[in-house]
This record gives sequence, structure tokens and C-alpha cells, in this order.
Amino acid sequence: DAGVIQSPRHEVTEMGQEVTLRCKPISGHNSLFWYRQTMMRGLELLIYFNNNVPIDDSGMPEDRFSAKMPNASFSTLKIQPSEPRDSAVYFCASSLALLAGGLNEQFFGPGTRLTVL
Amino acid sequence: SQELEQSPQSLIVQEGKNLTINCTSSKTLYGLYWYKQKYGEGLIFLMMLQKGGEEKSHEKITAKLDEKKQQSSLHITASQPSHAGIYLCGADRGNQFYFGTGTSLTVIP
Repeated sequence: DAGVIQSPRHEVTEMGQEVTLRCKPISGHNSLFWYRQTMMRGLELLIYFNNNVPIDDSGMPEDRFSAKMPNASFSTLKIQPSEPRDSAVYFCASSLALLAGGLNEQFFGPGTRLTVL
Repeated sequence: SQELEQSPQSLIVQEGKNLTINCTSSKTLYGLYWYKQKYGEGLIFLMMLQKGGEEKSHEKITAKLDEKKQQSSLHITASQPSHAGIYLCGADRGNQFYFGTGTSLTVIP
């Protein structure tokens, strides 16, 4: 298995531009997570999907951020318009969620390093 | 995240020494994960603990979860340079997922 795939690995853009980050989860996994990591705030959960449905988006900073999961093998995180404070490493992770009360580990992608000038 | 407190924030040890990293939550957890992150890379899953009092080991790394499921420790025996990186604890409280701020480990050969 190739693991979780993220693209691009690095993105440099100017303030005000639209940014789209992409994620392909591990085949067979039914949960997908988007995280943001910064020195100041550490690793923060932005949103997660279960069976392609957004379950909790309370971590999404504001309306400039949106995430979609049109099918089980693809998700996007879009920032429109981007701002310098959005600069961070964005991670996608997937897992095989068990029945209610169950746990399973999350597998992380390599991340996308976003720089907004 | 303030939900999970990790200590220490950073650790520098001589190769061969043992060390312990702690992770504390103010609330009872459904489960706790330990991950390792090498600088500039993604997170690698180490272990998951779900039951109070549970202890798991993998190679030279042992993780424990206390009976109240509010505190976990990660212990490395006879540390090696390959153990260097950032160790993060993550917690599951139902539909909420949190990570600690991480512990940066440096192992001096």
C-alpha cells in the first residue's frame, strides 16, 4: 500500500490566492482527517470525515477554509482567499473507524508545507 | 492543545540512557495514541492504549495508560540516535481528537 498520499508537498502562494490541497487516503479506510501544524499551536484537527460525510468541522478556522470528500478515495482542503497566517504544514490522515466506542490508529500523509507570502 | 499536556517539552540524552515522556489529560480519555514525527515529515504511529492500566511494548519503547485513563507515559530504554524526533500523544474522546504539543528528543551519540 502506498500509504496516505498528499499533494502538493510544497506550495508557495501570494496572499489572496486560492489554495487547494489534495489527499488520497489508504484504500479501505473510512475516516479521513485534516490537520494543521504550526510552531505556535502544534497539531490541530481541522475537520474529519466518516464514510465521506463531514462529522466535525469545528476546527476549521473560518469561512475561508472548506473541505470536501466527493468519494472514498479523494479529499480536498481549500483556502480562499489565503492569508499569511495560514502558513503551516497541513496533514491528511486516514483510519479504519471501528464501531462506536472502538479505536484505530490514524495513518498520516507526508504533509503539505504551505507558505503564503 | 491545552487538552493534553506533555512533559518535558524537550529532552537531550546521551545514547544508551533511559528516558520517559509524560502525557496528561484533565479528562478521562477513550484512548490514547503515541506518534513519532521526524523533523519535516509526517507522523508515524507507535502505539495505541485503550484500557485503564494497559501497557504495551515495541522494541525498546514501552507505553502505559493509568487506571483512570488520564495519564500516559512513554519510556525508551537504552536510547539510540534513531529514537530522535518529536513524540506526540494524541487522544480520542468520542468524536473529538486532540494532540499534545510534543516532546522533542535529541540523542547524543
